[in-house]
Amino acid sequence: AQSVTQLDSQVPVFEEAPVELRCNYSSSVSVYLFWYVQYPNQGLQLLLKYLSGSTLVESINGFEAEFNKSQTSFHLRKPSVHISDTAEYFCAVSEMDTGRRALTFGSGTRLQVQP
Amino acid sequence: DSGVTQTPKHLITATGQRVTLRCSPRSGDLSVYWYQQSLDQGLQFLIQYYNGEERAKGNILERFSAQQFPDLHSELNLSSLELGDSALYFCASSVLGGHQETQYFGPGTRLLVL
Repeated sequence: AQSVTQLDSQVPVFEEAPVELRCNYSSSVSVYLFWYVQYPNQGLQLLLKYLSGSTLVESINGFEAEFNKSQTSFHLRKPSVHISDTAEYFCAVSEMDTGRRALTFGSGTRLQVQP
Repeated sequence: DSGVTQTPKHLITATGQRVTLRCSPRSGDLSVYWYQQSLDQGLQFLIQYYNGEERAKGNILERFSAQQFPDLHSELNLSSLELGDSALYFCASSVLGGHQETQYFGPGTRLLVL
């Protein structure tokens, strides 16, 4: 079984400031890692994912996340946020080797970008 | 737009009633997942179907059931509804062909049980 911990339930930040949303996971098997974003009154959209290869993954809208196996972390970062980044962000994992693909989610972090 | 559609968008019903939520996966995707998002439990996996067969079960109550039809659309049936079943129900689909799989989510059905 896996678990995902998102340490911050809310992160207020000013526009153009950098931000880091923290995610730690616990698992007895190797995992795939995902970040999903949920804008108000919308569904979940895949932001980025780590499946294999380079531990640094990037999204098309400037977010990046780094897989750190020793610290079991997959923190999400953006060097300069926009008002439009205001949303809830969910970190998730699925099992790599068992074939079980269901996602285990963290509790979410609400990013509030202020002008 | 993820390509996954869910109907209805909103549903209001009373305790004890039964409802059916519908999901159409992306074209070509064989696997459908159902998730529940509630304020107290967060996002949790309910059940997965692959090409018509049940593949995995999560925290799904016995009052809930699902199926996937030959055209690959899926339905989630919720019966004997309780106030605590009020939540956002998401469907996600994926190809489940390769090792490195990504799930794409629909817009969800918001269920309110009064």
